[in-house]
Amino acid sequence: DQQVKQNSPSLSVQEGRISILNCDYTNSMFDYFLWYKKYPAEGPTFLISISSIKDKNEDGRFTVFLNKSAKHLSLHIVPSQPGDSAVYFCAASAFASYDKVIFGPGTSLSVIP
Amino acid sequence: DSGVTQTPKHLITATGQRVTLRCSPRSGDLSVYWYQQSLDQGLQFLIQYYNGEERAKGNILERFSAQQFPDLHSELNLSSLELGDSALYFCASSHTSGRNTGELFFGEGSRLTVL
Repeated sequence: DQQVKQNSPSLSVQEGRISILNCDYTNSMFDYFLWYKKYPAEGPTFLISISSIKDKNEDGRFTVFLNKSAKHLSLHIVPSQPGDSAVYFCAASAFASYDKVIFGPGTSLSVIP
Repeated sequence: DSGVTQTPKHLITATGQRVTLRCSPRSGDLSVYWYQQSLDQGLQFLIQYYNGEERAKGNILERFSAQQFPDLHSELNLSSLELGDSALYFCASSHTSGRNTGELFFGEGSRLTVL
């Protein structure tokens, strides 16, 4: 049972354009959502997060949008840069089981110069 | 550098064998998490410890066990290894005395190959 889904295994975007990575979740108990970035041969690194009491959080070129009714969140990267090429994982945690952080399968983003 | 150290970085062993993966969390972090990433798979949550005690369990096989020691380092023991256990095993840590929001610091992983 995959509670966090990222249905696009890969995405290619031209440098300077917007990258939109999508994530869906099934567990309505999730109340905190995160995005992690992973380069090859490195561990994932935290990128940005959003609490369920918000619908948008922005940090520089990165913005995360949350649509609770649709159980959907997205990560927008504007403008995309070649250094953004990495695998992006969506993750979620629930207050009821706050020690479990559930990750999606990841989306590999390629930003083409 | 996340501050989380995992050893060994690479490990090749045979089916039926037992291995131990080690993780040193960031200085001051009390929680340690273990994740498994198989080929083309996401990060599968295995188990979490907080200050020496098991806090949460995921899809961890009975052949696998873990513990966190008084100095807060953790070990993941994998026994009776099968080909399907070949994967990248990540350790992560966080400093939580209560509600964890999921902001974890990951090590570089230990790549296990079972032949």
